Amino acid sequence: DTGVSQDPRHKITKRGQNVTFRCDPISEHNRLYWYRQTLGQGPEFLTYFQNEAQLEKSRLLSDRFSAERPKGSFSTLEIQRTEQGDSAMYLCASSLAMGRAYNSPLHFGNGTRLTVT
Amino acid sequence: GQQVMQIPQYQHVQEGEDFTTYCNSSTTLSNIQWYKQRPGGHPVFLIQLVKSGEVKKQKRLTFQFGEAKKNSSLHITATQTTDVGTYFCAGFLNSGYALNFGKGTSLLVTP
Repeated sequence: DTGVSQDPRHKITKRGQNVTFRCDPISEHNRLYWYRQTLGQGPEFLTYFQNEAQLEKSRLLSDRFSAERPKGSFSTLEIQRTEQGDSAMYLCASSLAMGRAYNSPLHFGNGTRLTVT
Repeated sequence: GQQVMQIPQYQHVQEGEDFTTYCNSSTTLSNIQWYKQRPGGHPVFLIQLVKSGEVKKQKRLTFQFGEAKKNSSLHITATQTTDVGTYFCAGFLNSGYALNFGKGTSLLVTP
């Protein structure tokens, strides 16, 4: 399977702990997105990378959230001092950039479900 | 917050009935994409519309992009139980890289 993979699938943590999620995009894709989805809602944009550069970050993202994409390959999303409101499905998606004139489809991973107790 | 709105939030139909979901944006979209998410699954790309007034068909699914590029619709003819899931529209605003999703329309089809 050469799709987008995310690890772990599930994470249960206590409030105040730090957590880190990993995303491995489709190998030739240079764009990588992180989204958060809660029950009954659409995916909410968190941040976007083109290669290793983080080009956009949601204004809703607090400073407890940080994402990296070293060398433009896999990406990590870290949440520090987790709160119960952080409980959600965290989705990673990748796509192949073909210039600003055309936006390629996003390919999503299966997500990491975070539960903060 | 989300700048792409979808209605209805839920739709329950009998198998064989038609279904339509509508998507509206407060700002002009450079293009619009539609995704389907099955229960317990992740969003899967269906189609992208780019041109003003564009209409595309995929078997029983018809997608339209409004003339002003601020609205779109998805119409399913003669629904089947395999159509069950949540349908999302998502748009790129002219100024950004973020793909903004609507809240989706959840479709339930009973045989």
